[in-house]
Amino acid sequence: NAGVMQNPRHLVRRRGQEARLRCSPMKGHSHVYWYRQLPEEGLKFMVYLQKENIIDESGMPKERFSAEFPKEGPSILRIQQVVRGDSAAYFCASSPSVSLNSPLHFGNGTRLTVT
Amino acid sequence: TQLLEQSPQFLSIQEGENLTVYCNSSSVFSSLQWYRQEPGEGPVLLVTVVTGGEVKKLKRLTFQFGDARKDSSLHITAAQPGDTGLYLCAGAGTSGSRLTFGEGTQLTVNP
Repeated sequence: NAGVMQNPRHLVRRRGQEARLRCSPMKGHSHVYWYRQLPEEGLKFMVYLQKENIIDESGMPKERFSAEFPKEGPSILRIQQVVRGDSAAYFCASSPSVSLNSPLHFGNGTRLTVT
Repeated sequence: TQLLEQSPQFLSIQEGENLTVYCNSSSVFSSLQWYRQEPGEGPVLLVTVVTGGEVKKLKRLTFQFGDARKDSSLHITAAQPGDTGLYLCAGAGTSGSRLTFGEGTQLTVNP
C-alpha cells in the first residue's frame, strides 16, 4: 500500500519561473493538505482540499499560489513567478476522513530552491 | 489563530538520559497529535491524545494531554541515538479544518 507520493523531491527554479508540485494521496484518501516548512521550523498550513473542491485556503498567499485536486490525478500546488522567499520544503498530507482526530499521512516533501 | 509553543526548541543530551518536551497553548484543542520528523522525510505520527488528562505510552515514550486540553508533554526515558529527530506537536481546534503545528523541538541524542 503506497504512501503519499510527492514529486519531484527537489526542484530548482530561477526567479520568475513557475513551480508545479504534485501529490498523490494514499489510496482511498480524499482529503489533501499542503504545508510549507522552512529549515528547523514547524509546518505552516497552506490549503486543504477535497476532490475537486478547495475547503480552506486561508494559509495560502492570494497571489501567485494556487492549488487543485482534480477528480482524476494528483493534487497540484502551483507557484507562479517564483521569488527567493518561496524556497522551502512543501509537504503534502492526506487523510481518509474529515475528522482532525484522524492521523495525517505525509509525503517526503518537495524541496524548492529558487535561484 | 490558535498557536502552539514548543519548548525547548533545541535539546542535545547523552544516550541514557531522560527528557521532556512541552507543547503549550492558550487555546483549547479537541485533540493533539505528536509527530517525529527525520531529515529529508515527512513527519510521521507517533500518537493522538483526545481526552483531557489522558496518558499514552509508546515503549519509552510517554505522552500526556493536559486536563484543560491546552497543553501536552512528551517524556522520553533512557534516550537512544535513534530518537534523534524533530518532534512536532499539532493541535486540532474545536472548530476549523486543519491541524496547527508547533515550531518543533530538535532533539539530538549523542552516543
